[in-house]
Amino acid sequence: KAGVTQTPRYLIKTRGQQVTLSCSPISGHRSVSWYQQTPGQGLQFLFEYFSETQRNKGNFPGRFSGRQFSNSRSEMNVSTLELGDSALYLCASTGITGARSGELFFGEGSRLTVL
Amino acid sequence: AQRVTQPEKLLSVFKGAPVELKCNYSYSGSPELFWYVQYSRQRLQLLLRHISRESIKGFTADLNKGETSFHLKKPFAQEEDSAMYYCALKSNTDKLIFGTGTRLQVFP
Repeated sequence: KAGVTQTPRYLIKTRGQQVTLSCSPISGHRSVSWYQQTPGQGLQFLFEYFSETQRNKGNFPGRFSGRQFSNSRSEMNVSTLELGDSALYLCASTGITGARSGELFFGEGSRLTVL
Repeated sequence: AQRVTQPEKLLSVFKGAPVELKCNYSYSGSPELFWYVQYSRQRLQLLLRHISRESIKGFTADLNKGETSFHLKKPFAQEEDSAMYYCALKSNTDKLIFGTGTRLQVFP
């Protein structure tokens, strides 16, 4: 099976712009989670989608949003970018057994730099 | 509050030395805990989960409810163990809460 695919892998934006990141889960996985990874904070949970519904949400401002499509692909959007949004954004998918076992399958991430 | 604490940002040892990566958690109820690992230029991946009580690549982790800890141990470190290690807790809404991570460096 192909792994979790995230696009774009790298991007540079300026403050005030907005960005959309995409994630294609492993085939058959219906749950997609997003995390922000920074050196000081580790992995911070953004949100989780299951069958096009947001099931969990982290403590991020409303500038961070996401959605999931009927084919389980997911996108996250960050509006009005700030310098502090520079990070590696990781997407992870899991199937039914994975959800029970706690095993997430991660993508390589999208590295966002805000100038 | 549900929280995972990894007090060490960096742990450096020599090859063959024992390793213990610390993890403490805060959770009311029966916790489910995991260790994830990220090797250089690789994806973050599950290393082991406490429910399985397994040993993976020589690593073990025991849940200590009294001390609210889930430390990762290996008796003899190898150079290929050098990586970033994250402890994670399954929350009561089934999301995984990660710690800030510990970088393990194993010197030859």
